[in-house]
Amino acid sequence: AQSVTQLGSHVSVSEGALVLLRCNYSSSVPPYLFWYVQYPNQGLQLLLKYTSAATLVKGINGFEAEFKKSETSFHLTKPSAHMSDAAEYFCAVREFLEKLVFGKGMKLTVNP
Amino acid sequence: DAGVIQSPRHEVTEMGQEVTLRCKPISGHNSLFWYRQTMMRGLELLIYFNNNVPIDDSGMPEDRFSAKMPNASFSTLKIQPSEPRDSAVYFCASSLSAGGLYEQYFGPGTRLTVT
Repeated sequence: AQSVTQLGSHVSVSEGALVLLRCNYSSSVPPYLFWYVQYPNQGLQLLLKYTSAATLVKGINGFEAEFKKSETSFHLTKPSAHMSDAAEYFCAVREFLEKLVFGKGMKLTVNP
Repeated sequence: DAGVIQSPRHEVTEMGQEVTLRCKPISGHNSLFWYRQTMMRGLELLIYFNNNVPIDDSGMPEDRFSAKMPNASFSTLKIQPSEPRDSAVYFCASSLSAGGLYEQYFGPGTRLTVT
């Protein structure tokens, strides 16, 4: 079965600092990988996805992620954090058809 | 586009009562998902429909939970009888089915509290 691991549950950065959220996956087939963001009291929305095209994927709000098969990783980055980036971030891998398996999530705090 | 619509947004009920959560997917989407989110267990897929047919219900916790999709524009998740441990936020999501190529669009969720 496919799975994703997001180590830790909270990360705190200063405004303007680099954001790095780690995700490692396990998949027996070439994976489809996703990052979703959840703002307080809202549903999840897609930030970006990897579906076997370019390994560096750009998403909304200045986020990007790089697929590294050798490291089974799909880490999310943003060069400069903004206060509005404070949210919870979920990595997910497709298990089969449309079914996704989500990580536990990482809560990002941005300090002024 | 109204997005995925869920109702009610909040539900408070007593243990033993029946609870029905409702979802209207985005028009044209043919896959529908019910998720449950708690602090302890994170985001769990309960059941997944494609073209109104349940494809995977392995996440449904027990027989107290049931889900239906009578047509392409409506789905329900029912809990009978409800228990305090069912307290959670329940999300409905929809997508176009294409082997996972397309994103899932999430509704705003229903926050269920069972006392």
